[in-house]
Amino acid sequence: QVQLQESGPGLVKPSETLSLTCIVSGGSVSSGGHYWHWIRQPPGKGLEWIGYVSYSGGTRYNPSLKSRVTISVDTSKNQFSLKLTSLTAADTAVFYCARGSATDYFDYWGQGTLLTVSS
Amino acid sequence: EIVLTQSPDFQSVSPGENVTITCRASQNTGTYLHWYQQKPDQSPKLLIKFASQSFSGVPSRFSGSGSGTDFTLTINSLEVEDAATYYCHQSSTSPDTFGQGTKLEIK
Repeated sequence: QVQLQESGPGLVKPSETLSLTCIVSGGSVSSGGHYWHWIRQPPGKGLEWIGYVSYSGGTRYNPSLKSRVTISVDTSKNQFSLKLTSLTAADTAVFYCARGSATDYFDYWGQGTLLTVSS
Repeated sequence: EIVLTQSPDFQSVSPGENVTITCRASQNTGTYLHWYQQKPDQSPKLLIKFASQSFSGVPSRFSGSGSGTDFTLTINSLEVEDAATYYCHQSSTSPDTFGQGTKLEIK
């Protein structure tokens, strides 16, 4: 059974950079055909796709965030990461990592980690 | 980007009843349309992939249909544990997008 676990700081100040990591167990980030996604959900609101890194290291981002986002994969640690720069209060959200089957549905999700942007 | 509009936004239903949630896409998504269930303080769970294919382990009372721009999620014989918010998601065209969600309350 594939499991994903996010880790992050919880609280970050405006204008700073967020770094989140998703540790994958029960499966390999290098396995062909899977893509590793970040998705966020502001409190009480809907879901927004942020982007993905593929098993081969290729990336694709949501244009709405593209200038501020970097997603990378570390196959030696079986994890992938998200960096989001120039944070504002509007970035306050629960951040989820998820496995994508190809570039299609998300079949496994982490439990989510709440990021609050506040001074 | 493709906009997904779900209806209704909220529905209150009694146990045993049948429920239909619709998702309309602003452009043709083929069958690259998927459904998720999210309970309070939990991460979303995949229910239906490619419009009508049930994901492993999902109860048979959940079913999906549709193609192109109009899709439905049907829950037959609703159970108390089905209280949740349901989201549709399209992966046809990047960026992936989600519907705004339909909150289902059990009376």
